[in-house]
Amino acid sequence: GAGVSQSPRYKVAKRGQDVALRCDPISGHVSLFWYQQALGQGPEFLTYFQNEAQLDKSGLPSDRFFAERPEGSVSTLKIQRTQKEDSAVYLCASSLVGWNRGLGEQYFGPGTRLTVT
Amino acid sequence: AQKVTQAQTEISVVEKEDVTLDCVYETRDTTYYLFWYKQPPSGELVFLIRRNSFDEQNEISGRYSWNFQKSTSSFNFTITASQVVDSAVYFCALSEPVNFGNEKLTFGTGTRLTIIP
Repeated sequence: GAGVSQSPRYKVAKRGQDVALRCDPISGHVSLFWYQQALGQGPEFLTYFQNEAQLDKSGLPSDRFFAERPEGSVSTLKIQRTQKEDSAVYLCASSLVGWNRGLGEQYFGPGTRLTVT
Repeated sequence: AQKVTQAQTEISVVEKEDVTLDCVYETRDTTYYLFWYKQPPSGELVFLIRRNSFDEQNEISGRYSWNFQKSTSSFNFTITASQVVDSAVYFCALSEPVNFGNEKLTFGTGTRLTIIP
């Protein structure tokens, strides 16, 4: 079956522009995560959804970052007034279960590489 | 706070050699999960293993094996008879327990493995 997909794969934005990054999780997956991966670093947690509820947004670096998953499937990560330090790969992951710890293997998408000039 | 340390930034070995990737973690939790992910040049994170903190048995899967030692807070990964296709960045990760089965991951900085033909 289809894996996690993300679009666009590459995005170049001028500083100050708003961007929207899309994630299509695996069908039926309850949990959805966003991570930010800077060059040469490991991914860092941004936010988590269980169905349409955003249960944890502790990793969002500023109030310019906003994520939503209105119908519990597709999610969008929006960054307003982009800055150069926002340049990174944004990874989305989904997992099947949201209530049983340790059973939800996270499947990652290919990421969106955002470059802010 | 959770922390994962992968001290080896880059490793190069000749094909067919064995190689071990080190991972040391810090956590105050008594129940946690450890993971290894592979990130090939395509960028997509590929799940390799999840290990429960209560299970210290070593695991072997084909050419891959994992050594979990709670006493030293280490979860090392060995590839036997390495192949060129093993070339990738490998990440060790630790799960952080939060409500509702949220398994947000704390990643190390990764080890870039290059297998020389």
